[in-house]
Amino acid sequence: GQNIDQPTEMTATEGAIVQINCTYQTSGFNGLFWYQQHAGEAPTFLSYNVLDGLEEKGRFSSFLSRSKGYSYLLLKELQMKDSASYLCAVRDLLADSNYQLIWGAGTKLIIKP
Amino acid sequence: SAVISQKPSRDICQRGTSLTIQCQVDSQVTMMFWYRQQPGQSLTLIATANQGSEATYESGFVIDKFPISRPNLTFSTLTVSNMSPEDSSIYLCSVGREETQYFGPGTRLLVL
Repeated sequence: GQNIDQPTEMTATEGAIVQINCTYQTSGFNGLFWYQQHAGEAPTFLSYNVLDGLEEKGRFSSFLSRSKGYSYLLLKELQMKDSASYLCAVRDLLADSNYQLIWGAGTKLIIKP
Repeated sequence: SAVISQKPSRDICQRGTSLTIQCQVDSQVTMMFWYRQQPGQSLTLIATANQGSEATYESGFVIDKFPISRPNLTFSTLTVSNMSPEDSSIYLCSVGREETQYFGPGTRLLVL
């Protein structure tokens, strides 16, 4: 079957580092995505991993291990504006569409001063 | 990325009525998707809309309830028919581009 797991909620302190984990089980794998969604707004694309390893983009980094079915999103130097939900999504190789994604439930990240 | 607009941005409707949501993209795209997101929940795919063919609906969603049009490569509509309070949600369109999906701002629907 297809399944994506991520923690429901996390809390971190401004200026600190936080790691949001995502594990997945899919019939096939063709890429993992992280999106950020502020309350009341649409999701915005953050990162895409298709090969193992770490992709760094400013304060945000995303890691993928295909053999473990595991990814994490690392946020450094946390700012209050990073308070949002972070959605993990996987593209299944066997999906009808090359763009169709399987979505996790999202992790609500709360940043405290 | 993609510039996507949706109309209306929000609406309050009476049960039993229908609402049509429009999605406009700044340039041509093959794949468009319609999602529903209920408060505190993640995204649920309603259907995939390809230009020139009928939409493909996910399990639990049917064409009679959520008819979709895709008249060209930059535009699509989703109608929520015979609404009930359970249809209160955010409806999002997204497009496939550069191997990922980009989302419109969403339509916030409240059914009384």
